[in-house]
Amino acid sequence: AQSVAQPEDQVNVAEGNPLTVKCTYSVSGNPYLFWYVQYPNRGLQFLLKYITGDNLVKGSYGFEAEFNKSQTSFHLKKPSALVSDSALYFCAVRDPGGYQKVTFGTGTKLQVIP
Amino acid sequence: DSGVTQTPKHLITATGQRVTLRCSPRSGDLSVYWYQQSLDQGLQFLIQYYNGEERAKGNILERFSAQQFPDLHSELNLSSLELGDSALYFCASSPGQGDYEQYFGPGTRLTVT
Repeated sequence: AQSVAQPEDQVNVAEGNPLTVKCTYSVSGNPYLFWYVQYPNRGLQFLLKYITGDNLVKGSYGFEAEFNKSQTSFHLKKPSALVSDSALYFCAVRDPGGYQKVTFGTGTKLQVIP
Repeated sequence: DSGVTQTPKHLITATGQRVTLRCSPRSGDLSVYWYQQSLDQGLQFLIQYYNGEERAKGNILERFSAQQFPDLHSELNLSSLELGDSALYFCASSPGQGDYEQYFGPGTRLTVT
């Protein structure tokens, strides 16, 4: 069965510093990987995805993620954090053989400190 | 605004009752997904429909059921409600089975007292 792990419940970073939110996955076959962001009292918003191709994926709001097959990781990154980036971030993996069943991680709360 | 609408926004009901949550997908999207988000369980996939047919099932209780109608809106029915069913329920949609990202609605907050 597919699974995804976000090892950090919370990440604190100073405004202007680079940020990384970690995600590792387990899936048979080639993974379809996603990052979503959830602001308070809102639904999840799609940030970026990796299906195939270049290991560095660029997404919305200046975020990017690096797919590393050997480490089974898909870490979310941003070169310079903004206070407005403070939110809950979810990594997700889709079963490539299924009908789009997606497994979400437990989420990482990102706090950007002014 | 994702284009996915959910009603109602808030729902307060008593244990043992039955409620129906409604979702309208983005225009043109054929797939609808239901998720439950609670503090202790995180975000749990419940069920997926594609063009009226059930396509995938997750951690959905037998007390819960869903359907997708010909106009593609979907309803999630929760019955014999328990305190532990209190959660945020999200609906998401995507264009089809071959497409990947999902667009989430604002959610329905269910409180069971």
